[in-house]
Amino acid sequence: AQSVTQLGSHVSVSEGALVLLRCNYSSSVPPYLFWYVQYPNQGLQLLLKYTSAATLVKGINGFEAEFKKSETSFHLTKPSAHMSDAAEYFCAVSAGAGANSKLTFGKGITLSVRP
Amino acid sequence: ETGVTQTPRHLVMGMTNKKSLKCEQHLGHNAMYWYKQSAKKPLELMFVYNFKEQTENNSVPSRFSPECPNSSHLFLHLHTLQPEDSALYLCASSQDGGRRVRSPLHFGNGTRLTVT
Repeated sequence: AQSVTQLGSHVSVSEGALVLLRCNYSSSVPPYLFWYVQYPNQGLQLLLKYTSAATLVKGINGFEAEFKKSETSFHLTKPSAHMSDAAEYFCAVSAGAGANSKLTFGKGITLSVRP
Repeated sequence: ETGVTQTPRHLVMGMTNKKSLKCEQHLGHNAMYWYKQSAKKPLELMFVYNFKEQTENNSVPSRFSPECPNSSHLFLHLHTLQPEDSALYLCASSQDGGRRVRSPLHFGNGTRLTVT
């Protein structure tokens, strides 16, 4: 079985501050990991993905995430927040093969950016 | 038009109505999905179609009936819904699906459904 934990439901940062959104996963096999972003009144959009290549993954809009197997984490960061980053962020894990391969989403974290 | 398109964007229906949600993808993908997004809950996978064949039904009530006539179109037929079915219904597609969830999902903007 696999799962994703996104602690907390809301993060608020000032414009220009570091963004850190946490994601921990549970998987019995090497996982594929994803971060998606959802802007108001829109569907989810892929930010970045980890597929067992480099552990530091760079995505769109200046976001990056680092896969840490020892900590079972895949936290999302951005050095300097912009007002346009305000959205909901979802971490997702896919593990297993064949019919056991499923994509599991976390509950999501709402990011607010203060001027 | 590119990406994944869902219509209508908003739908209000009574519990005795019958309506359908439509999804169309222009990405040449093989797999299509229906997800339900309710407030403060994780996305719930409802159905998966791979090459037009349903490969997953995640214990969805029979008042939701999917249809996939080809790899580019996906429908969700609704009848005798309950107020708790009110949610955002998202359609997605991917290059491979069902058996190997490696490629990312591409989502539509969703249909906001309200059941009165």
